[in-house]
Amino acid sequence: AQSVAQPEDQVNVAEGNPLTVKCTYSVSGNPYLFWYVQYPNRGLQFLLKYITGDNLVKGSYGFEAEFNKSQTSFHLKKPSALVSDSALYFCAVRDIGGGDDKIIFGKGTRLHILP
Amino acid sequence: GAVVSQHPSWVICKSGTSVKIECRSLDFQATTMFWYRQFPKQSLMLMATSNEGSKATYEQGVEKDKFLINHASLTLSTLTVTSAHPEDSSFYICSARTGNSNQPQHFGDGTRLSIL
Repeated sequence: AQSVAQPEDQVNVAEGNPLTVKCTYSVSGNPYLFWYVQYPNRGLQFLLKYITGDNLVKGSYGFEAEFNKSQTSFHLKKPSALVSDSALYFCAVRDIGGGDDKIIFGKGTRLHILP
Repeated sequence: GAVVSQHPSWVICKSGTSVKIECRSLDFQATTMFWYRQFPKQSLMLMATSNEGSKATYEQGVEKDKFLINHASLTLSTLTVTSAHPEDSSFYICSARTGNSNQPQHFGDGTRLSIL
């Protein structure tokens, strides 16, 4: 089965510093990977996806993610963090096994940007 | 674009009542809709997947008679929590997409359900 792992429950970063939210994946075949963000009491918002092509994927709000096949990772990054980036971030992977066509979410990483 | 509207945003009701939550795609046709449940400080738990005009596919451990899902049109899906009890209290989120899972899912803002 396809899966993603987010090893950190929480990440704290000072405003203005670069941030990284980690994600590793385990898939059979080519991975289709996604990042979503959730603000308090809201649904999730799509940030970016990797299907194929360039390993560096650019997304919404200045975020980008780097696909690394050798390390089976898809870390989310931003060069300069904003306080408004504080939220819950989910990595996800496509799962088309067993006749299903859905995405599987990681457990989430809470990002705190400190002013 | 790609807006999903979920209603109500919160509901409080007595134990034993049934609660219906609506999920609408406002500016696109949602061939597939998903219903999730999220517990505090936890990830999303997929409850069921529904394709327009078909019966929903429920994840293992989710009671289909308890959580009734209807996806009658390409823009509307409903989740009815029947005979709700306090343990059903949670944050329920719907999402919708067009096409296969290469396409991003668009999420509603969730419904906070509290059963007294």
